[in-house]
Amino acid sequence: AQKITQTQPGMFVQEKEAVTLDCTYDTSDPSYGLFWYKQPSSGEMIFLIYQGSYDQQNATEGRYSLNFQKARKSANLVISASQLGDSAMYFCAMRAYNAGNMLTFGGGTRLMVKP
Amino acid sequence: NAGVMQNPRHLVRRRGQEARLRCSPMKGHSHVYWYRQLPEEGLKFMVYLQKENIIDESGMPKERFSAEFPKEGPSILRIQQVVRGDSAAYFCASSPQQLRNEQFFGPGTRLTVL
Repeated sequence: AQKITQTQPGMFVQEKEAVTLDCTYDTSDPSYGLFWYKQPSSGEMIFLIYQGSYDQQNATEGRYSLNFQKARKSANLVISASQLGDSAMYFCAMRAYNAGNMLTFGGGTRLMVKP
Repeated sequence: NAGVMQNPRHLVRRRGQEARLRCSPMKGHSHVYWYRQLPEEGLKFMVYLQKENIIDESGMPKERFSAEFPKEGPSILRIQQVVRGDSAAYFCASSPQQLRNEQFFGPGTRLTVL
């Protein structure tokens, strides 16, 4: 079975600073993908970034980067230059490719950006 | 290219009624997934469908819940005889045939059971 753990229920960050949201995962499947989604107060799920288990380099998408440490089974999301619009819930998720196509989600981290 | 569409966005039902949630995947996507999000929690997988087939329903409650994805038309998540504990946000996601792509989520249907 797959498990995602997000240990930070809530975090504050000052506008324009960088912030790291933690995510650890557990799977016995050697082939998997890791995802981060943002859920603003309006409720929709917005895809941010993807990292495959065999990818050699950390994924980056604009201000988002994924700090992938395979041996430690961690996939932390780094947001650089935080903006007020970054205030939202952030969910880490994984898909183990030999265990079906579903995503397993963590419990989320609520990020609040202070002006 | 329109995104994943879900309707209704908000649904209110009284205990014992039926709830029908609809999901139209993105154009070209043949895989549909349903997830449920209880308040202040992450999303939990319910069911995975392809056209006319249920591939994985390991996350579906054994009673009152059913899902379909017919050859024509949207995918339907049906909840019979709703109870207050069914109040949640129900998200549909779709993906193309390539297995390694991310899933694209719809805006969700917020079900409230009175």
